[in-house]
Amino acid sequence: ETGVTQSPTHLIKTRGQQVTLRCSSQSGHNTVSWYQQALGQGPQFIFQYYREEENGRGNFPPRFSGLQFPNYSSELNVNALELDDSALYLCASSPKRTGGEAFFGQGTRLTVV
Amino acid sequence: AQTVTQSQPEMSVQEAETVTLSCTYDTSENNYYLFWYKQPPSRQMILVIRQEAYKQQNATENRFSVNFQKAAKSFSLKISDSQLGDTAMYFCAFTTIQGAQKLVFGQGTRLTINP
Repeated sequence: ETGVTQSPTHLIKTRGQQVTLRCSSQSGHNTVSWYQQALGQGPQFIFQYYREEENGRGNFPPRFSGLQFPNYSSELNVNALELDDSALYLCASSPKRTGGEAFFGQGTRLTVV
Repeated sequence: AQTVTQSQPEMSVQEAETVTLSCTYDTSENNYYLFWYKQPPSRQMILVIRQEAYKQQNATENRFSVNFQKAAKSFSLKISDSQLGDTAMYFCAFTTIQGAQKLVFGQGTRLTINP
């Protein structure tokens, strides 16, 4: 059984660019959530995908968007990058839509310059 | 809106000692889950322990145990016989039973175990 994997591990982008982060969920998990963790802070919920549809969203602007594929892997897209988007982006998968525990990947460190 | 507060930004103890990390939360929900996650320098969030709000018995996982006080909305983590590998950021987190699997995290406590 493979765990949650994220790619890339590190990324540097220029302000105004667009970025795509990827996540492969743990085997058997149909729910993927994305979190943004600024330096020295706790993670903040961005959104969740369940069976290829967005199933909840946190307080993030529309330039943060996502996709979930039939194999339950997921992408996080961020358009018009801003300096404050620099953070660790964590993906978590769960075996069900509500409750229960989430299993996290190692994160993607995004730096916007 | 739910909030989670961890009032201890940093803690430091000697190896083999017992340490307790504090967490309080605010919610109007009656049924929910509470978690403690550990984040070592490798960055990956690792689940330490989980508590269902409807269970009165405090959860225990080997050296890790919680003191869950529902009325006080308090959820502390006790680490017994602390080990060097316990050095990490510890996050308290909350999620409701209904709705999206949205974890609300506290600000974290940086725990250092000294040899």
